[in-house]
Amino acid sequence: DVKVTQSSRYLVKRTGEKVFLECVQDMDHENMFWYRQDPGLGLRLIYFSYDVKMKEKGDIPEGYSVSREKKERFSLILESASTNQTSMYLCASRRRGLAGYEQYFGPGTRLTVT
Amino acid sequence: EDKVVQSPLSLVVHEGDTVTLNCSYEVTNFRSLLWYKQEKKAPTFLFMLTSSGIEKKSGRLSSILDKKELFSILNITATQTGDSAVYLCAVANFGNEKLTFGTGTRLTIIP
Repeated sequence: DVKVTQSSRYLVKRTGEKVFLECVQDMDHENMFWYRQDPGLGLRLIYFSYDVKMKEKGDIPEGYSVSREKKERFSLILESASTNQTSMYLCASRRRGLAGYEQYFGPGTRLTVT
Repeated sequence: EDKVVQSPLSLVVHEGDTVTLNCSYEVTNFRSLLWYKQEKKAPTFLFMLTSSGIEKKSGRLSSILDKKELFSILNITATQTGDSAVYLCAVANFGNEKLTFGTGTRLTIIP
């Protein structure tokens, strides 16, 4: 079974703090993705990575950065958290070249920025 | 830009009813359409559709794709309270590695 884990289920941070969200997958997948999910807006892609040290901007990258130093781990970084980054963050992974096939999701991190 | 629209946004029905959820899309170089179910946490995969007119079925759930009219439906018969969830539709194209998601349909089943 594919397993995607995220470092925290719930996180509360203050405005201006630097926030790290970690995602780890155990299936040797090349592609990893970070989404945020907000009511009425669905899942929106922030960044994705198709290999170690490779990254591409998604639809809403502003205010975020990412790091992929190892194949199994993909980190999302909020350099200076703001209240409009309060959201559910979902990580996903998939084998490269299978864009039409299912992605495997982690359980999500609900981030609140106060 | 790829686009996915789901309807209705929310739906409340009684246990035992049959429901139909809709997903329409605009995508260049269509590859596939996927349905996911999301309860309290991670979306879980339901179906992947690539060909028109071929029904995919899993228990009480079924789905079909119409590539001419650019939509898909997800049917759930004899609904149960465990079917309460957000149902997500996503499309993939051959041009990149991304999925484009719709906003989801929130289904609530009343006992």
